[in-house]
Amino acid sequence: EDQVTQSPEALRLQEGESSSLNCSYTVSGLRGLFWYRQDPGKGPEFLFTLYSAGEEKEKERLKATLTKKESFLHITAPKPEDSATYLCAVSDGDKIIFGKGTRLHILP
Amino acid sequence: DAGVIQSPRHEVTEMGQEVTLRCKPISGHNSLFWYRQTMMRGLELLIYFNNNVPIDDSGMPEDRFSAKMPNASFSTLKIQPSEPRDSAVYFCASSLWTGANEKLFFGSGTQLSVL
Repeated sequence: EDQVTQSPEALRLQEGESSSLNCSYTVSGLRGLFWYRQDPGKGPEFLFTLYSAGEEKEKERLKATLTKKESFLHITAPKPEDSATYLCAVSDGDKIIFGKGTRLHILP
Repeated sequence: DAGVIQSPRHEVTEMGQEVTLRCKPISGHNSLFWYRQTMMRGLELLIYFNNNVPIDDSGMPEDRFSAKMPNASFSTLKIQPSEPRDSAVYFCASSLWTGANEKLFFGSGTQLSVL
């Protein structure tokens, strides 16, 4: 059964304090690993797609990396506006399964 | 494009009543997903459609839940009868399937409260 596990569940950082979020997955035939950002009261918003081990994607202060078993979302020098829930998801080509997310809070 | 449109935004109903949630996907998208989100279980896939055909409904919790997609621009998720444990945020998302489902575009969700 396809499964996505994210850690930690919640993370509080000071502004400027870099860290990483983890996403471990098991899927029969990975066709893509996705990162989404969700703000309170809104639907998830797409950030990145990674397709193969070793691939990296960057967007502003975020960088996503992928290995054969997990993905990391690195946040460099975060700002309060980066506070949100970050969701990881995997696709077998059809279904897209999400983890429970990491709630990130950046303190000014 | 207006994005994925869901209605109603909020729904409060009493146990035993029928609830219908509605979704209009992005024009041109050919895959549609229904998810349910709770604090305990996160974002759960209920059912998804490709070209208006239900492909996998294994996530539908029980026979009280049903989903339809009569055409490419409209889908409904119905709960009959509703129960308090159905309280959650229900999201619809659409995607352009080109050999694989990739980037999902989500609606704003329907907050359902069953009293």
